[in-house]
Amino acid sequence: DTGVSQNPRHKITKRGQNVTFRCDPISEHNRLYWYRQTLGQGPEFLTYFQNEAQLEKSRLLSDRFSAERPKGSFSTLEIQRTEQGDSAMYLCASSRDPTGAEAFFGQGTRLTVV
Amino acid sequence: DAKTTQPNSMESNEEEPVHLPCNHSTISGTDYIHWYRQLPSQGPEYVIHGLTSNVNNRMASLAIAEDRKSSTLILHRATLRDAAVYYCILRDVGETSGSRLTFGEGTQLTVNP
Repeated sequence: DTGVSQNPRHKITKRGQNVTFRCDPISEHNRLYWYRQTLGQGPEFLTYFQNEAQLEKSRLLSDRFSAERPKGSFSTLEIQRTEQGDSAMYLCASSRDPTGAEAFFGQGTRLTVV
Repeated sequence: DAKTTQPNSMESNEEEPVHLPCNHSTISGTDYIHWYRQLPSQGPEYVIHGLTSNVNNRMASLAIAEDRKSSTLILHRATLRDAAVYYCILRDVGETSGSRLTFGEGTQLTVNP
């Protein structure tokens, strides 16, 4: 088991372009979370999936953001019409069950919108 | 989500114990106390968690006050690799919350050689 994998690690895009990030959780983890982290701040929750169902979305997740987990395995986070304010580290985490102690985080995708 | 309060920064010397405090006066009965840390350019990493009793694992110890309104993460012998931001988080394991983690700004621990 190689842990939570996120791709790409870095993405530079021009304002107005669409970007998509991928997260491969630890196999058999049924819960998957997306967080966003800006410099000097702690991660902020965006959304989470239990298997393929998206069960909760933060108000931070504007209509330009969409997340999917089509087969309950990997997940994608898409940002449409990127803005400079979207520049941040996007973190994915997975965990085994709702009372499980550990959430395992990936190393994140750093997005820079120029 | 219940809120936690941590000092912005702390310093320690290598091979000395470190006590990282956290206040959570509005903790509820279904909140577990979790600690994560984040090394530079890495995602957060689980450290330890507890509900009421003190807990020990290979990384650290967690001391929880009897009224559960505060807790202390104890690193028994700090190393340079322990320099990180440490987050104290209350995790509601009720189904409606999805057990998400609500991070604050954490404590930046500096370890001096």
